Amino acid sequence: DVKVTQSSRYLVKRTGEKVFLECVQDMDHENMFWYRQDPGLGLRLIYFSYDVKMKEKGDIPEGYSVSREKKERFSLILESASTNQTSMYLCASSPDYRSDNEQFFGPGTRLTVL
Amino acid sequence: AQSVTQLGSHVSVSEGALVLLRCNYSSSVPPYLFWYVQYPNQGLQLLLKYTSAATLVKGINGFEAEFKKSETSFHLTKPSAHMSDAAEYFCAVSDDFGNEKLTFGTGTRLTIIP
Repeated sequence: DVKVTQSSRYLVKRTGEKVFLECVQDMDHENMFWYRQDPGLGLRLIYFSYDVKMKEKGDIPEGYSVSREKKERFSLILESASTNQTSMYLCASSPDYRSDNEQFFGPGTRLTVL
Repeated sequence: AQSVTQLGSHVSVSEGALVLLRCNYSSSVPPYLFWYVQYPNQGLQLLLKYTSAATLVKGINGFEAEFKKSETSFHLTKPSAHMSDAAEYFCAVSDDFGNEKLTFGTGTRLTIIP
């Protein structure tokens, strides 16, 4: 089974802090994604990566950056956390373009910024 | 770009009744389509997917969905609701072939009435 893990289930940070959310997948998938989930808005794509050191902006990249130094690990960085970044963050991975685009999700990190 | 519309942000059904969750997509070519389920404080789990084979797709936990190209719909059904079906359900559509992104609907929260 594909396993996607996220470093924390719950996280509380203060405004202005630098926040790192880590995601690791164990199935050698090429693609990795970061979403945020808010009530009534569904999942919105922040960034995705289709290869090591490659990244592309999603629909809402402002205030976020990402890092992918190894194929299995994809990090989301909040350079200076703000209260409007309080949300559920979901990481996902998928095989390369020859697949059917099915994404496999981690359990999520619920981030609260005070 | 693709878009997905889920009619009804909240749906309530009685235990044992039919479950019908609606999903419509915009696409000029038959896409890949997915239904995911999210239980409280968990990540998303794949229920079923359409990848241009049979138009009636069977998934886990007794759910199924029918791809109707003429109606651009992919509604999710289950003949008899169970208390354990209470969750949030997301419909998703792939972007054009060769693009690994998924576009998600805003979700439908299903409540089961005892």
